[in-house]
Amino acid sequence: QLQLQESGPGLVKPSETLSLTCTVSGASISSSSYYWGWIRQPPGKGLAWIGSVYYSGSTYYNPSLQSRVTVSLDTSKNQFSLKLSSVTAADTAVYYCARANSGSYWGYYYMDVWGKGTTVTVSS
Amino acid sequence: DIQMTQSPSTLSASVGDRVTITCRASQSISSWLAWYQQKSGKAPKLLIYKASSLESGVPSRFSGSGSGTEFTLTISSLQPDDSATYYCQQYNSYTWTFGQGTKVEIK
Repeated sequence: QLQLQESGPGLVKPSETLSLTCTVSGASISSSSYYWGWIRQPPGKGLAWIGSVYYSGSTYYNPSLQSRVTVSLDTSKNQFSLKLSSVTAADTAVYYCARANSGSYWGYYYMDVWGKGTTVTVSS
Repeated sequence: DIQMTQSPSTLSASVGDRVTITCRASQSISSWLAWYQQKSGKAPKLLIYKASSLESGVPSRFSGSGSGTEFTLTISSLQPDDSATYYCQQYNSYTWTFGQGTKVEIK
């Protein structure tokens, strides 16, 4: 059964870089059928997509975060990661990783499996 | 960017009621829309993809419809377990966007 698990520091200082890892079990992140993505949810607010990575390493980012975000793969560990630089209190959120599936329609991806999420607080 | 707008933001209904949530896209997204259910403190759960395809294991009282710019999620007979926030999400392009969410409360 496919499972995703986020991990990383729960507290990050302002201006530093937030780094999270998503460990995937039950499927290979090297599959050409999926993208792997990050989504966040500030306290009391809605969901916001951050960025996604394909098995080839190609990436897409939310334009509002693009200058600060890097999403990458580590196929040897079956993990993918998120780095968000120059964080502020506005980056405090629950961060989710998810698999994006195209089903029978290659090129169009919806998020069908999610991790449980990890809370990251930005504070000095 | 494609903007997604949901209405209403909150709704309150009784068990057994038929409930409809609307999601509008700022430009045509064909049928590339998903619906998610999020219960308090939990990760979102996929309900519907490609506007009207029911994810495996999701109760049949949930249904989706629409294409282009206007979409609906319908719960045919509201159950106590359906108390949650529901989000639409477009995946017409490789930059994905969510609606702001609709909170469904049980009277």
